[in-house]
Amino acid sequence: ELKVEQNPLFLSMQEGKNYTIYCNYSTTSDRLYWYRQDPGKSLESLFVLLSNGAVKQEGRLMASLDTKARLSTLHITAAVHDLSATYFCALARGGKLTFGQGTILTVHP
Amino acid sequence: DSGVTQTPKHLITATGQRVTLRCSPRSGDLSVYWYQQSLDQGLQFLIQYYNGEERAKGNILERFSAQQFPDLHSELNLSSLELGDSALYFCASSVGAGGGYNEQFFGPGTRLTVL
Repeated sequence: ELKVEQNPLFLSMQEGKNYTIYCNYSTTSDRLYWYRQDPGKSLESLFVLLSNGAVKQEGRLMASLDTKARLSTLHITAAVHDLSATYFCALARGGKLTFGQGTILTVHP
Repeated sequence: DSGVTQTPKHLITATGQRVTLRCSPRSGDLSVYWYQQSLDQGLQFLIQYYNGEERAKGNILERFSAQQFPDLHSELNLSSLELGDSALYFCASSVGAGGGYNEQFFGPGTRLTVL
């Protein structure tokens, strides 16, 4: 059974600081996604990572994938309040997405 | 806006009742997926349909069933509802059946409250 674990589950950051969210998974997968969810809202796709060594960046967020270590990271640079949300990683095998527990990120002034 | 629509947005009902959630996929997408998000279980895959046929099944209870119609919209039926069924139910759609690069696009969700 595919297991996906994120850490930390809660992250309180000061504006301007950097931090990394980690996503570990137990078996191989087709691809890895990072999603953002605002309270009570839907899931917004941030990145899809397809192969070992893949790195993608959008604004203050950068995601990477190490398939040998079965690890993906989401790095936040110089956090701003607008980044406050819950972030999920999810692994795809066939048609099914298996999600991590989510990381609740709060950015304080 | 992902192009996936779900109705209703909110649903409040009582234990033991039956409800139907509806999803219309993005234009051109043949797969529909259902997910449940609850505080206890997190985000869980329930079931996938591709072009009218069941394609993959996850942690879907026997009290729950789904179908995809010829116009590709899908319905998720939840019966004999229990308090623990209260959750946010998401529908997602994709072009293909799965595997390869087949991104899923999520709808806004239906919030079900069972009293």
